[in-house]
Amino acid sequence: TQLLEQSPQFLSIQEGENLTVYCNSSSVFSSLQWYRQEPGEGPVLLVTVVTGGEVKKLKRLTFQFGDARKDSSLHITAAQPGDTGLYLCAGAPKTSYDKVIFGPGTSLSVIP
Amino acid sequence: GAVVSQHPSRVICKSGTSVKIECRSLDFQATTMFWYRQFPKKSLMLMATSNEGSKATYEQGVEKDKFLINHASLTLSTLTVTSAHPEDSSFYICSARDGSKEVDTQYFGPGTRLTVL
Repeated sequence: TQLLEQSPQFLSIQEGENLTVYCNSSSVFSSLQWYRQEPGEGPVLLVTVVTGGEVKKLKRLTFQFGDARKDSSLHITAAQPGDTGLYLCAGAPKTSYDKVIFGPGTSLSVIP
Repeated sequence: GAVVSQHPSRVICKSGTSVKIECRSLDFQATTMFWYRQFPKKSLMLMATSNEGSKATYEQGVEKDKFLINHASLTLSTLTVTSAHPEDSSFYICSARDGSKEVDTQYFGPGTRLTVL
């Protein structure tokens, strides 16, 4: 079974704190995407990582793809209330090109 | 970024009626579109993969006769929930794959909230 696991599932922090969300699998992925979803809306693509060990930065968000392309992390620096939302990692396993699978999501709440 | 639209954004219908949801890729051609269902505070559950000009591929446990998918063009896929029942109430999200990019990327629509009374 090709599953993506995310941790933590729920996270509530104060504005200004840092946090890291993890996405793990036992399978190798050709690429991984991170999405952010707000209630009642569709997921919005944040980043795609492709190369093992790759690090991408998007303002206060830093994304890393594991060397073995089985895991990824999202680090947010100085979280703001606007970062509140459901963060989803998704990936296309190397053995299943056509189908993207999603992790269960991390629900982040940033308290002002 | 790429834009995918869904219509309607919200629909309320009576039990036993059918509801059609449209998904359009506005600025790129999508040979493949995906339909997802999402329950409150849960992740997305893939229902089916829609390929332009061919039959959709349904995930295990998804009734193809109940959830009819038509991918009539490179920019439009439709999902019809037939004979809807209250348990079909959910948030339905489509995505379209942009295969023209160096890395295939899915872009999501804003979702459709279906409520069956």
